Order: sequence, then C-alpha cells, then structure tokens
Amino acid sequence: DGGITQSPKYLFRKEGQNVTLSCEQNLNHDAMYWYRQDPGQGLRLIYYSQIVNDFQKGDIAEGYSVSREKKESFPLTVTSAQKNPTAFYLCASCWDGTMNTEAFFGQGTRLTVV
Amino acid sequence: GQQVMQIPQYQHVQEGEDFTTYCNSSTTLSNIQWYKQRPGGHPVFLIQLVKSGEVKKQKRLTFQFGEAKKNSSLHITATQTTDVGTYFCAGRDHQAGTALIFGKGTTLSVSS
Repeated sequence: DGGITQSPKYLFRKEGQNVTLSCEQNLNHDAMYWYRQDPGQGLRLIYYSQIVNDFQKGDIAEGYSVSREKKESFPLTVTSAQKNPTAFYLCASCWDGTMNTEAFFGQGTRLTVV
Repeated sequence: GQQVMQIPQYQHVQEGEDFTTYCNSSTTLSNIQWYKQRPGGHPVFLIQLVKSGEVKKQKRLTFQFGEAKKNSSLHITATQTTDVGTYFCAGRDHQAGTALIFGKGTTLSVSS
C-alpha cells in the first residue's frame, strides 16, 4: 500500500532529552512537511522540504531540526531547546511543493515530555 | 508572514441544521485547500479551489473561493453526525511559494 507512515504513535521522553520522530513515504512525493498541532492552535508549520538535501524553516522552527537525505524520509528531531515539546506532530507529503497538489498526512505522533 | 484565519473556532448545531466556516488570508493565494480531521485522526484532503470565484460542490458540501483569492468558505447543508470533526482551510501564497499554511480550524459538533 502506498502511504505516509509516522512512528511511533505515542512517545514519552524525559525533559532535556532529544527525541527523533520518524516519517517515511512511498508515494514518490518530492515535498514533505512537519506540523505541530496543539488544542485550539490548528496546524503550525515547523519545517518543510521540496527536494532531497534541501529544507526550509517554517513559522515555529526553533528547538527543532530536520534532515532530508532520502526522498522517502524526513525525520524530525525535537531538541532540548524546545521549550514546550508536548504536542501532536503531523508529517505530510505532496507530489510537488510548487504545484497545486493535495497533502497526504501520516497518522501522527503524540509526544509527551515529562 | 502569510496568515490564514478561520472563523468560528467552534460551532455546535442540531442535526439537520446548516453550517458554514470562513477562511481569510492576509495575502493572495495561489489556491485554497480544505481538509477534515475526525476526532483522534489526521487531516484528510477534501477539495482544492484554484480559480477566482470558483464554486465546487460535494454532495451536501459547497466550497467557494473569493474573487480576490483571499477568502474562502465551506458550507454544509443539513448536517449529519458523520460531519463531526475539525475543518481546516490551507493555502499557498501566490508569491512566497511553496509552504502550505493552515488556518486554526473550525470544530463542528452535531447533536441528534
């Protein structure tokens, strides 16, 4: 089946630890995105990537880092610098970020930092 | 930067009543997309509007894109309990490029 997979679904970490969220797609999409969702805040853009080895900061990139070494993969690292990391994280992909195409979302990872 | 605003934030209706959510962008958009997120789920694409003044229908759902390509609306006729969820609009700025920016969403609850 083609799709976009995020893992794990639930993640618990201690404060001060870095944690990496996985996002893999087999849709052959060029563009990939990371969003953070908090209650009442909608989806806020963290980072996005249009092609391999290239990515741009979104509105709330501070405390996060990404890499795009492969077309299929766009992992997100939540660093200890992120002040309030507990949230629902959604990864999405599009056929081509410069065209008018729909975004496909993964199931999300709910991160809880204690 | 580009901002996309949505109102209302919450809406409760009785089953059978109509529902409308409105979306406004601070900049002109190349297109507007609408997504639905069921409780506990992830956003799922509903539709995309590209042309100025465009209107599209999907059964009981009617989507409009404003003439200036800065606003949009989603109207649901005769809501059903299956319509429950959060509806997001999302747009790409026609100049700034490629990032898909979402509104905060409108959460619809329906009582039978």
